[in-house]
Order: sequence, then structure tokens, then C-alpha cells
Amino acid sequence: EPEVTQTPSHQVTQMGQEVILRCVPISNHLYFYWYRQILGQKVEFLVSFYNNEISEKSEIFDDQFSVERPDGSNFTLKIRSTKLEDSAMYFCASSGPGGAYGYTFGSGTRLTVV
Amino acid sequence: GEDVEQSLFLSVREGDSSVINCTYTDSSSTYLYWYKQEPGAGLQLLTYIFSNMDMKQDQRLTVLLNKKDKHLSLRIADTQTGDSAIYFCAETKETSYDKVIFGPGTSLSVIP
Repeated sequence: EPEVTQTPSHQVTQMGQEVILRCVPISNHLYFYWYRQILGQKVEFLVSFYNNEISEKSEIFDDQFSVERPDGSNFTLKIRSTKLEDSAMYFCASSGPGGAYGYTFGSGTRLTVV
Repeated sequence: GEDVEQSLFLSVREGDSSVINCTYTDSSSTYLYWYKQEPGAGLQLLTYIFSNMDMKQDQRLTVLLNKKDKHLSLRIADTQTGDSAIYFCAETKETSYDKVIFGPGTSLSVIP
């Protein structure tokens, strides 16, 4: 069964450093997403991306965050200057034209900011 | 509003049925979903229901939707220890059909 692959599975970074979280969506999917889950809290939508541009973003997705699809296979989330409160599990997802009921999530990257 | 609410914990004995409940506030919800998250793993879509349906059955899973009360439930028949996980209720709306709004999750513990 096709999978969404995220790397690394765990990343530790110092406050103020830049991090890039990587995702390889399912190859024929057109829509890409990032969600995050702070420990013990809800899974929160960050951003959706379609046709090489952001289609929707949440209030959390401020200027510190950016997304990119640098080539035909990868989808990245960059956090420019990490803060302690960015520590969370970050999930990538992709879907086909059917929308959310076609979502497949990756297994997540746990980001720890120290 | 965007609230999806669930009770946080449920404990059942192996072989019994589990019923996980969820309420949502926005009547413009289009699809409602149940996701499962096992420890250290991603979010697995278990099932979904379109808002004009009131029931969907898929093997051991039964989803009931009461649109008037904005209440969704997931029944797992013959619950097994492998069903122990966190179950998230979620929705998407007409105005933003590709953005999923999650509830806080119900942690299901199955006692052998």
C-alpha cells in the first residue's frame, strides 16, 4: 500500500536554529498538508499546498514557517528560528483530487527544541 | 466555531463492544472521520461518513451520525487488545473541504 514517508523520525535542535522536516507524499497525489500535535493536545492544521502554492494556512503558520516542493517528490516544512513551543509531532499528509477522505498521513517527525 | 469534542478515556474488556462518542458544533460539516493513532505511529483513517448519511458499517466498525444533535459515534464490536489506541473524531467543512479539524482524541484501553 502506498505510504507517505517522513524524515527524520526524531529531530532535536537548539532554540533559534532552522529545521527542515521532509516528506515524500504518495506519487500521484496532488494536495499536500502539514499538521502538528503538541504533546497531549489536539492535532492542528498548519498548511495545505496545491499546484505549487499555499491554498490555506492557519494562524499558527506565521512567517517563521514555510513550505516548499523543491522537486517532483519531496514536500518540506521549514521553521526558520525554532522556539521551545515548536516542540511537537509534525505530520505530513497527501491526498488525491477527492479531498480529505483520501488523506494518507505519514508517521510523523518528533521535533524537540532545547 | 470549529470545536470537535470527545471524552478523553475509555476502558473496555476484551470481547466487549466499545462505543466512542464525539460532538461537533458546525452544521456545515461535510465529512466526518474516525482516525486511529497507535503509540509512536501516524494517523490511520479508519472510516468516514458523509454528512447526509446516518450510518455506515465496515466489518467490526459501525459509525452512527445524528446530524440534528451533531453527534457522531464509533462502535467497535468484539474489541481486541490490538484496538488499544487513541481514536480521533474529525471533520471537514464545505468552505474548507481539504482541512481536517480534529477532536482531542479518546484513549481506548482494552483489558484482557
